[in-house]
Amino acid sequence: AQTVTQSQPEMSVQEAETVTLSCTYDTSENNYYLFWYKQPPSRQMILVIRQEAYKQQNATENRFSVNFQKAAKSFSLKISDSQLGDTAMYFCAFMKSDYGGSQGNLIFGKGTKLSVKP
Amino acid sequence: DGGITQSPKYLFRKEGQNVTLSCEQNLNHDAMYWYRQDPGQGLRLIYYSQIVNDFQKGDIAEGYSVSREKKESFPLTVTSAQKNPTAFYLCASSIRGLQTQYFGPGTRLLVL
Repeated sequence: AQTVTQSQPEMSVQEAETVTLSCTYDTSENNYYLFWYKQPPSRQMILVIRQEAYKQQNATENRFSVNFQKAAKSFSLKISDSQLGDTAMYFCAFMKSDYGGSQGNLIFGKGTKLSVKP
Repeated sequence: DGGITQSPKYLFRKEGQNVTLSCEQNLNHDAMYWYRQDPGQGLRLIYYSQIVNDFQKGDIAEGYSVSREKKESFPLTVTSAQKNPTAFYLCASSIRGLQTQYFGPGTRLLVL
């Protein structure tokens, strides 16, 4: 069974600084997808970034980027130029991808609570 | 505006009562999902449906039931068999084959 581990329950960062959130996962699959979701106080889950395991290039979305290390099964999220609106719970998630590309279970970590301080 | 709606925002259940949570999407997505979130935890999958009139159990399906009679709708019933129903429930949908799931705003269920 796949598992996702986020080892940092809480983190804080000063506005405009850079912060990195850690995520490791355990799987015997070769093809899969990894995601970072953000859950602000409103509790709406918002997709931040997605990475396909077959791609070596790390995904980026504006101020958000990942460091994907497939051999180490590591998938960290870097937030640059942190803003007050980045304050939220951040969840790392894993989904295996079968040959047909069908979807199934998203496996979530327990989350990291990020506070951005002015 | 395209999106996923969930209702109600808050729901109260009495002992022995079945309650139904609504999830509707107008994104023309084929697949829909129900997750449960407990305090300090990530999300866990209850049920999912890849196509109308078909659905599969997730990791914690006991005490829950679903139906998928229309592409746009995937209601979740929390039955009296679910002994610990207090949680935040999130519905999601995705275009079949693209793997990215988009979430609704959630329903908070409380037991009286």
